[in-house]
Amino acid sequence: GAGVSQSPRYKVAKRGQDVALRCDPISGHVSLFWYQQALGQGPEFLTYFQNEAQLDKSGLPSDRFFAERPEGSVSTLKIQRTQQEDSAVYLCASSFWKTQYFGPGTRLLVL
Amino acid sequence: AQTVTQSQPEMSVQEAETVTLSCTYDTSESDYYLFWYKQPPSRQMILVIRQEAYKQQNATENRFSVNFQKAAKSFSLKISDSQLGDAAMYFCAYRSAFSVDQGAQKLVFGQGTRLTINP
Repeated sequence: GAGVSQSPRYKVAKRGQDVALRCDPISGHVSLFWYQQALGQGPEFLTYFQNEAQLDKSGLPSDRFFAERPEGSVSTLKIQRTQQEDSAVYLCASSFWKTQYFGPGTRLLVL
Repeated sequence: AQTVTQSQPEMSVQEAETVTLSCTYDTSESDYYLFWYKQPPSRQMILVIRQEAYKQQNATENRFSVNFQKAAKSFSLKISDSQLGDAAMYFCAYRSAFSVDQGAQKLVFGQGTRLTINP
């Protein structure tokens, strides 16, 4: 079956621009996660949804980061007024029980 | 808070040989899951193997096996008969098994080990 998909795969933004990153989870997976992966580092947790409910947003680095999953399926991670330190790969993962399955990620470069 | 440490930033192995990647973790919990994920240059994170902490038997998946030492909080990955396609970043990750804590399901990753396979 289809895996987790993310779009766009690459995004170049000018500093101060708003961006929106999309995640399509595996069908039927109730849990959805966003992670941020800096170059050469392990992924770091941003936020977690169970269906449409955002149960944990403790990893969001600032109030410029906002995530939603209004119908319990597709999720969008929005970053307002992007800064150079936001440059990273943003990974989405979905899970049904114990294991998380990852998408290919969106590489964001802020100039 | 839980932490995961991978002390080997880079490892290399000859094709067809065996290599072991190290991982240690710190937790006060008694029940949890441990994972090894592989991330090739294409960036898609792929699950290699999973271990439940309550299971004494070490998990195996074809050429991949783990050495899980709960008391020592150690979780190493052994790759046998290494193949060129095994070249990637390998991440060790921890996840709590407790679901009452709504943040418990997140994965905590180590810094990764870059594995190179020499032909």
